[in-house]
Amino acid sequence: DAGITQSPRYKITETGRQVTLMCHQTWSHSYMFWYRQDLGHGLRLIYYSAAADITDKGEVPDGYVVSRSKTENFPLTLESATRSQTSVYFCASRLTTNSYNEQFFGPGTRLTVL
Amino acid sequence: AQTVTQSQPEMSVQEAETVTLSCTYDTSESDYYLFWYKQPPSRQMILVIRQEAYKQQNATENRFSVNFQKAAKSFSLKISDSQLGDAAMYFCAYRRDFGNEKLTFGTGTRLTIIP
Repeated sequence: DAGITQSPRYKITETGRQVTLMCHQTWSHSYMFWYRQDLGHGLRLIYYSAAADITDKGEVPDGYVVSRSKTENFPLTLESATRSQTSVYFCASRLTTNSYNEQFFGPGTRLTVL
Repeated sequence: AQTVTQSQPEMSVQEAETVTLSCTYDTSESDYYLFWYKQPPSRQMILVIRQEAYKQQNATENRFSVNFQKAAKSFSLKISDSQLGDAAMYFCAYRRDFGNEKLTFGTGTRLTIIP
């Protein structure tokens, strides 16, 4: 079924390890986003991408790396995971043919850093 | 920078009654969009309703409607005839109209429906 998927859905890792969260969308949307959701903060933007090979920082980018070699994929890497990165991570995408286009969210990945 | 404030961390309503969730925002822009998203226990983010700032008419989607007060920078969500399936976290969000695709979210309101 077409849409936006994230993998894994759940991940437990240890402090200092590298972790990559995957995001894949089948709509050929130009924009893709990574958010993290924490109690008391709502969703905060980590990184976003306007197109393949174009990425930019959001509100909370420290400790994260992204890449976008293909339009449909937007992986998020935690180079050296810390406990403060325990969170639920959402990927989203949006077509931008006009300002009215909706942003669609993936199902989320719950990451626990021990 | 734009900010979105939801001052009600939790709300509850009797089934079939009406409830209003509050949201205020701060921006210097004149053109923008406002959204309400619903997040049920499944965690999936679902768009409930959107409002274009240039439109004076309040948006409506079935039992969901908004009260958009541009001068006051207020954007409340009214849910009529509340149903058990409406129980969720509700997030208010802001986005500039052009050149910036990012959503800025409030901290959310947890809505409980009392049978």
